[in-house]
Amino acid sequence: DAGVTQTPRHEVAEKGQTIILKCEPVSGHNDLFWYRQTKIQGLELLSYFRSKSLMEDGGAFKDRFKAEMLNSSFSTLKIQPTEPKDSAVYLCASSFDREVFFGKGTRLTVV
Amino acid sequence: GDSVTQTEGPVTVSESESLIINCTYSATSIAYPNLFWYVRYPGEGLQLLLKVITAGQKGSSRGFEATYNKETTSFHLQKASVQESDSAVYYCALGSNMGYKLTFGTGTSLLVDP
Repeated sequence: DAGVTQTPRHEVAEKGQTIILKCEPVSGHNDLFWYRQTKIQGLELLSYFRSKSLMEDGGAFKDRFKAEMLNSSFSTLKIQPTEPKDSAVYLCASSFDREVFFGKGTRLTVV
Repeated sequence: GDSVTQTEGPVTVSESESLIINCTYSATSIAYPNLFWYVRYPGEGLQLLLKVITAGQKGSSRGFEATYNKETTSFHLQKASVQESDSAVYYCALGSNMGYKLTFGTGTSLLVDP
C-alpha cells in the first residue's frame, strides 16, 4: 500500500523562477495538506483541501503560493516567483478517519 | 489562533536515562482538540508516534507516553529509558476533530548518546 508520494525529493531553483511540487496522496484519503517546514518556524500550513475543495489557503502564503488539486489522486504546489526565503522542506500529507500520513517531502533550495 | 509550544532543542540524553519533552497548547478555535506526537527519524518522513483524542487519557507507543491534561493544557512526552534508536526530531501537534488540520510545534531534536 503506497503512502504519500512527493516529487521531486530535491529541487534547486534560481530566484525568480517558477517551481511546481507534486504530491500523490494515499488512495481514498479525503483530506490533503501542504506544509512548509523550517527549523525556525517548524511546520506551517500552506493549504488544506477536503474532497478536492480548497478549505484553507494559508493566509500569509497567498501571494506567491498556489496549491491545486485537479483530481483526488494528485495535487501540485506552485511557487511563483521563488525567493531565497522560500528555501525549506515542503511536506504533503493526506488523511482519512483521524490519521494523517506524510510524504517524505521536497527540499527546495532557492539561490 | 491555535498554537503549540514545546521544549526547544537540541536535547541530549544518555542511553537508558529518562526523557521528558514538554508540550503545551492553546486551542482557541477548536472546541475539542486532539493531541499528537509525531516523529521524524533521520532519512525518513514524518510519522505518527501517538495520539490522544480525549482529555484525561494517556497514549503510548514504542515505550513513549503522553497524557492529555486539559487543566494545564499540556501533553508532555515521556520515556523511562531512552535508546540510541530514539534519536530523532519530535513534534507535538494539535488537531481539530473535524477536518484534521494539524497545528505543529517547532519540533525538538533529541540525540541519545550511546
